[in-house]
Amino acid sequence: AAGVIQSPRHLIKEKRETATLKCYPIPRHDTVYWYQQGPGQDPQFLISFYEKMQSDKGSIPDRFSAQQFSDYHSELNMSSLELGDSALYFCASRSTGGAKETQYFGPGTRLLVL
Amino acid sequence: DAKTTQPPSMDCAEGRAANLPCNHSTISGNEYVYWYRQIHSQGPQYIIHGLKNNETNEMASLIITEDRKSSTLILPHATLRDTAVYYCIVRVPNNAGNMLTFGGGTRLMVKP
Repeated sequence: AAGVIQSPRHLIKEKRETATLKCYPIPRHDTVYWYQQGPGQDPQFLISFYEKMQSDKGSIPDRFSAQQFSDYHSELNMSSLELGDSALYFCASRSTGGAKETQYFGPGTRLLVL
Repeated sequence: DAKTTQPPSMDCAEGRAANLPCNHSTISGNEYVYWYRQIHSQGPQYIIHGLKNNETNEMASLIITEDRKSSTLILPHATLRDTAVYYCIVRVPNNAGNMLTFGGGTRLMVKP
């Protein structure tokens, strides 16, 4: 079965640079979530989109922005990168209204800021 | 979402049942109990969920107490590949934009 695809899987950037992470949800899933997981921490919700509109916002820094496109893929744009942005970034997708309402996670993008 | 309490870590012998408890004493009537797990550095994986009846699927069983204030996830025959952090999350399903709140979790170590 098709899963959530994230790219790139690994990314190395320097401080103050920008990064763009991409997420391709499972086909026919209309909701996308972004989570950040720092070293030794639990995943933390950043932002979500439902039908291409932002639906919820968590602890996402102002330096980050995201959007969902007409084909339902989503991009997380990160600017003025800081050392503390080094983390695993997970995307998850969900089909609303399903009998088993659950989120399916991608493999993550590991971002290292030097 | 209701707060949950889980032991930080547990060990289990390979082939034996792993019983992971979760306390959610402030759960409200329309909140479900969800279990996810995260194998090291992989994306979290859905395991099972339930409202008040016990549930079973190919991965695990979920036992919810009658007062719904606690639950137990049971992996009937744990394998080394079940070593992971297990998260118990209480939430209302099917709300658009309803994120998951991961907190604590139990680090299960399955030993040979």
